[in-house]
Amino acid sequence: GAGVSQTPSNKVTEKGKYVELRCDPISGHTALYWYRQSLGQGPEFLIYFQGTGAADDSGLPNDRFFAVRPEGSVSTLKIQRTERGDSAVYLCASSPNRDRGDAFFGQGTRLTVV
Amino acid sequence: GNSVTQMEGPVTLSEEAFLTINCTYTATGYPSLFWYVQYPGEGLQLLLKATKADDKGSNKGFEATYRKETTSFHLEKGSVQVSDSAVYFCALSGYQAGTALIFGKGTTLSVSS
Repeated sequence: GAGVSQTPSNKVTEKGKYVELRCDPISGHTALYWYRQSLGQGPEFLIYFQGTGAADDSGLPNDRFFAVRPEGSVSTLKIQRTERGDSAVYLCASSPNRDRGDAFFGQGTRLTVV
Repeated sequence: GNSVTQMEGPVTLSEEAFLTINCTYTATGYPSLFWYVQYPGEGLQLLLKATKADDKGSNKGFEATYRKETTSFHLEKGSVQVSDSAVYFCALSGYQAGTALIFGKGTTLSVSS
């Protein structure tokens, strides 16, 4: 596709359940980022991949959050034992390797934990 | 650590009014600075950027100048349109390639005809 694709667009889950959020970046973009945006706030960095490896996971809030990018393209953000405080819009972005911050964002997955 | 502070919204203007949204930053080294825009129902889009001091980024009639002496990157537009109604985010990234963006909280702009 032409842009960053995220699925699902909306996800409602019960507290304590496990969820997976998928990101399909722009073809050829080696850098991939996950952000979380709470209501009324700017996006907050979670994790950055360069190729298949997590180059910086310092933004992950705790060990319930994990992300993978096994083949260097599609990425999955995994959240275990979801809590109501995890409710937010999860954004994925990709960028060409050498650009500093020129990121193309997907439309996000709105996660609601009830 | 690095951070971005932008003016609180909402900002409400009439069509053709002049727009300024203030943004200041704290960073080590020489960050790149960005304005992103989120139109209703759409994803974040890069509006403009500047990568070094005194650079001016511009796009769609919007401008912002990277001022290292005042650590600012204020967004301006001479004559806003209803279609400019959106949420605007100031952001910075560190000097290394691939560094994640740090965003401000966003400023909602509402333009009426």
